[in-house]
Amino acid sequence: AQKVTQAQTEISVVEKEDVTLDCVYETRDTTYYLFWYKQPPSGELVFLIRRNSFDEQNEISGRYSWNFQKSTSSFNFTITASQVVDSAVYFCALSERNNAGNMLTFGGGTRLMVKP
Amino acid sequence: DGGITQSPKYLFRKEGQNVTLSCEQNLNHDAMYWYRQDPGQGLRLIYYSQIVNDFQKGDIAEGYSVSREKKESFPLTVTSAQKNPTAFYLCASSIWGAIPGELFFGEGSRLTVL
Repeated sequence: AQKVTQAQTEISVVEKEDVTLDCVYETRDTTYYLFWYKQPPSGELVFLIRRNSFDEQNEISGRYSWNFQKSTSSFNFTITASQVVDSAVYFCALSERNNAGNMLTFGGGTRLMVKP
Repeated sequence: DGGITQSPKYLFRKEGQNVTLSCEQNLNHDAMYWYRQDPGQGLRLIYYSQIVNDFQKGDIAEGYSVSREKKESFPLTVTSAQKNPTAFYLCASSIWGAIPGELFFGEGSRLTVL
């Protein structure tokens, strides 16, 4: 069975600080996909990134970066020089290749509060 | 604008009443999904549909029902059999394929049972 754990339920930082959101996953499949979504106060989740299990290269997109480590089953998300607009709930999610329905298993989410 | 529209945004219901949440998409996506969000529990899948006139139960389907008569529409009915219906409900859609794709979400419907 697949499982995603986001141990940090809430993080508070001051603007311009760097912050890392942790994500640990469990799966028996060798082929799987990892995702990060952002949920702003408006409610809809917004896709940030998808990673497949064979691609362990770190990725950077502007102030966002992702560190995927299969050895520790982790897919952590770092925001550099945080801004107030980054305040949101962030979800990590997992989908196994053999998963009928392309279903995602979500972690519990991490609420990030960036204070000015 | 292309996207997913959910209505109503807020809904109050008395115990014992069925309610139906609307979800419409104009993205021409084959797959649609309903998730339930509770504080601290992330999102849990209620039902999903790959094509018109077909749908499958997710992890927490008990007390819910859906229909998929049109590609654009995937309404969710919360029945009186759902023991704890107060929650935030999110509808999503995606391209259906061998690789799980990006989900596009609506802004959600918040249901409160009085």
